[in-house]
Amino acid sequence: DIQMTQSPSALSASVGDRVTITCRASETTSRYLNWYQVRPGKAPKLLISGAFSLQTGVPSRFSGSGSGTDFTLTISSLQPEDFATYYCQQSYSAAVTFGQGTRLDIK
Amino acid sequence: QVQLQESGPGLVKPSQTLSLTCTVSGASISSGPYYWTWIRLPAGKGLEYIGRVYTSGSTNYNPSLKSRVTISLDTSKNQVSLNLRSVNAADTAVYYCARAVGGSGWHELDYWGQGILVTVSS
Repeated sequence: DIQMTQSPSALSASVGDRVTITCRASETTSRYLNWYQVRPGKAPKLLISGAFSLQTGVPSRFSGSGSGTDFTLTISSLQPEDFATYYCQQSYSAAVTFGQGTRLDIK
Repeated sequence: QVQLQESGPGLVKPSQTLSLTCTVSGASISSGPYYWTWIRLPAGKGLEYIGRVYTSGSTNYNPSLKSRVTISLDTSKNQVSLNLRSVNAADTAVYYCARAVGGSGWHELDYWGQGILVTVSS
């Protein structure tokens, strides 16, 4: 299995802050790396696919970068609705795997 | 608009079989290239891939669950089913169904259901 390691596991920030979450794969995933936002009681939401392709309707303050084994998700100016848990996911292998998640809390 | 809705019992006894259904609207589960996927989220833990079924009916499962899982399509009802046998407390989680884009896409999970909490307890 391809192991995905996210950091940090938790992060406290304020509205307006810029935050970056990193995701490292145990072997190359090329660009098969996707990012999701999960909020309690809501359906998980796809933010970015293919490492940096922003999904339709997702605000431009979200951006992704990287390829191979190292990836980042950046939120340029946090908004109140962004406080959630974020997961990276590799879809390079058939048995997809997720990072352990990064919980983003209000400071 | 594609919508997915999970349904099934919220409480399952240990050693029994967890059976869930995902009803899909706005898309045909027999039209590709899509993988219909089950994922779970145990309390205090991260997302875990359970397995998926392609529009052709071929399947792929998480190696750690493979011996206990069956995922299948019911095209007449446009539903995807999950059966997880011999459950224990570690199988307590919110279970999601989702659609993954196959073919030349990035195989991302573009539509998800709201999830259903399943508790394993006697």
